[in-house]
Amino acid sequence: AQSVTQLGSHVSVSEGALVLLRCNYSSSVPPYLFWYVQYPNQGLQLLLKYTTGATLVKGINGFEAEFKKSETSFHLTKPSAHMSDAAEYFCAVTDLTDTGRRALTFGSGTRLQVQP
Amino acid sequence: ETGVTQTPRHLVMGMTNKKSLKCEQHLGHNAMYWYKQSAKKPLELMFVYNFKEQTENNSVPSRFSPECPNSSHLFLHLHTLQPEDSALYLCASSQDGSSGTFEQFFGPGTRLTVL
Repeated sequence: AQSVTQLGSHVSVSEGALVLLRCNYSSSVPPYLFWYVQYPNQGLQLLLKYTTGATLVKGINGFEAEFKKSETSFHLTKPSAHMSDAAEYFCAVTDLTDTGRRALTFGSGTRLQVQP
Repeated sequence: ETGVTQTPRHLVMGMTNKKSLKCEQHLGHNAMYWYKQSAKKPLELMFVYNFKEQTENNSVPSRFSPECPNSSHLFLHLHTLQPEDSALYLCASSQDGSSGTFEQFFGPGTRLTVL
């Protein structure tokens, strides 16, 4: 069965500091990987995705993530945190369901706090 | 309208009421989803519709009844709910199949409170 593990349900950084949100996955098929962001009382917004090709992917708002197959990881980074980055972040991976369909599995989320 | 829209944005209902949540996607996708998001719980997939056919039902109580009349519209009919059903209900859509990347596009959600 597929799974997505996000280490740390809460991460706090200072404004201007590096942001690192961790995601490890297991998948029975070559994965497609995604990071979503959710601001309070809103839906999830796609930050970036990896499907095939270059393993370092860049997304919106200065975020990027690197697919490392050997480590089954897809960590999210941003060189310099901004107050507006405070939100909840979800990692997701595609895998096969019991009915043989590809479907997304989401991690439990990491809440990012940015201190002034 | 663009993307995925949901109405209403907020809903308060009693345990004996019947109400419906509506979702519409303007992206030409072929799959639609209902998720439940409760405080301090992971995102829970409730139902999946692919080409209007229900393909997943993750042991959701029968007091939640989905309806997908076409590939652009998805409803969630609610009746005799419990207070623990209070949550943010999110709708999403995606393009599945050999030409799709399976990324899901989400609506803003309906904040449901059951009294």
